[in-house]
Amino acid sequence: QKEVEQNSGPLSVPEGAIASLNCTYSDRGSQSFFWYRQYSGKSPELIMSIYSNGDKEDGRFTAQLNKASQYVSLLIRDSQPSDSATYLCAVFLEGTYKYIFGTGTRLKVLA
Amino acid sequence: NAGVTQTPKFQVLKTGQSMTLQCAQDMNHNSMYWYRQDPGMGLRLIYYSASEGTTDKGEVPNGYNVSRLNKREFSLRLESAAPSQTSVYFCASILTYKETQYFGPGTRLLVL
Repeated sequence: QKEVEQNSGPLSVPEGAIASLNCTYSDRGSQSFFWYRQYSGKSPELIMSIYSNGDKEDGRFTAQLNKASQYVSLLIRDSQPSDSATYLCAVFLEGTYKYIFGTGTRLKVLA
Repeated sequence: NAGVTQTPKFQVLKTGQSMTLQCAQDMNHNSMYWYRQDPGMGLRLIYYSASEGTTDKGEVPNGYNVSRLNKREFSLRLESAAPSQTSVYFCASILTYKETQYFGPGTRLLVL
């Protein structure tokens, strides 16, 4: 059974701080990773995708991937109250058309 | 572009009733998916369609059937609803292999 693990939180950070969200996965062959943000009562929306080891930056968001450690993270700099949401990590299973999702980490940014 | 649309937005069923959840995308995507989301369980794959004319089971297919009506539309049918099927159902689509999924707004289903 392929798995994606996330700490459910809530992770509380003060406004302006860096929020660090972590995800580990069990499938060593996985090559494609995604971070989605989901506001309460809404559908998931993509924040970042990452395919190569290292860092990928997009505005206040940085995704980090370490395939050897089977670990992917999302850093949110200068956190805002509007970043308060659940963040879902998803892993694409190579050789299939399937994506496995973690249970999500709830982030609360305190004003 | 409307993206991925789902109908209905909300539905209440009695145990044993049947219904079909509709999903359509206007992005010319090839693959489509149905997930359910329950508190603390994350998104779980019910069925997917890698391409028009094909469907495959996901992690939790029991009690559901699907139809890929054409490239745009992918429906999910509950033949005899059970309270355990109370959930939020999301449809998603991708253009091609291992690309970003785009989600519909969801259908909230309550089975009494």
